[in-house]
Amino acid sequence: EDKVVQSPLSLVVHEGDTVTLNCSYEVTNFRSLLWYKQEKKAPTFLFMLTSSGIEKKSGRLSSILDKKELFSILNITATQTGDSAVYLCALTSGTYKYIFGTGTRLKVLA
Amino acid sequence: NAGVTQTPKFRILKIGQSMTLQCTQDMNHNYMYWYRQDPGMGLKLIYYSVGAGITDKGEVPNGYNVSRSTTEDFPLRLELAAPSQTSVYFCASSYSTGFGSGANVLTFGAGSRLTVL
Repeated sequence: EDKVVQSPLSLVVHEGDTVTLNCSYEVTNFRSLLWYKQEKKAPTFLFMLTSSGIEKKSGRLSSILDKKELFSILNITATQTGDSAVYLCALTSGTYKYIFGTGTRLKVLA
Repeated sequence: NAGVTQTPKFRILKIGQSMTLQCTQDMNHNYMYWYRQDPGMGLKLIYYSVGAGITDKGEVPNGYNVSRSTTEDFPLRLELAAPSQTSVYFCASSYSTGFGSGANVLTFGAGSRLTVL
């Protein structure tokens, strides 16, 4: 059965800290891995990863995929209170199927 | 370009009532989805559609129905509402050119919070 496991479930840090969020997976027909940020509304897209070892970067956020060990990490450096959110990892399998993890709840304290 | 629009944003239903959550997208996406999100849980797929006239069940379809008469619209119908259907519902869409092309980025609507009392 396809599944996505995210860790930790929740995390509390102080502004300026660096955090690493993990996403491990089992999927029969891997197409891509996506990261989303969800504040008190709809998830918003961060990254799509399809190839191992190629880092995607956007400002203080970066992500990388390891297709051999079946995981991805999302790094946030110099965290800010605006980074407080739930971060969702999703796998795409085939052309239509998206499998979501339960998310990591990040709280950044001022 | 409004993206994915859901209505209503909030609704309270009594047990046994029925209602329809509306979803429309203006991105000409062929794939559309309905998810529910319960507290502390991931997104669970209720129904999806790969194009007008084609729908299929996801992980948790019981108690729901959908239709897709146009590319733009994908309403979700709740029949005989139950407290277990209290949740936040998200409509989403994506574009794919077919098998082997890989899935594209999923774009979400703002969500509809439903409470069944």
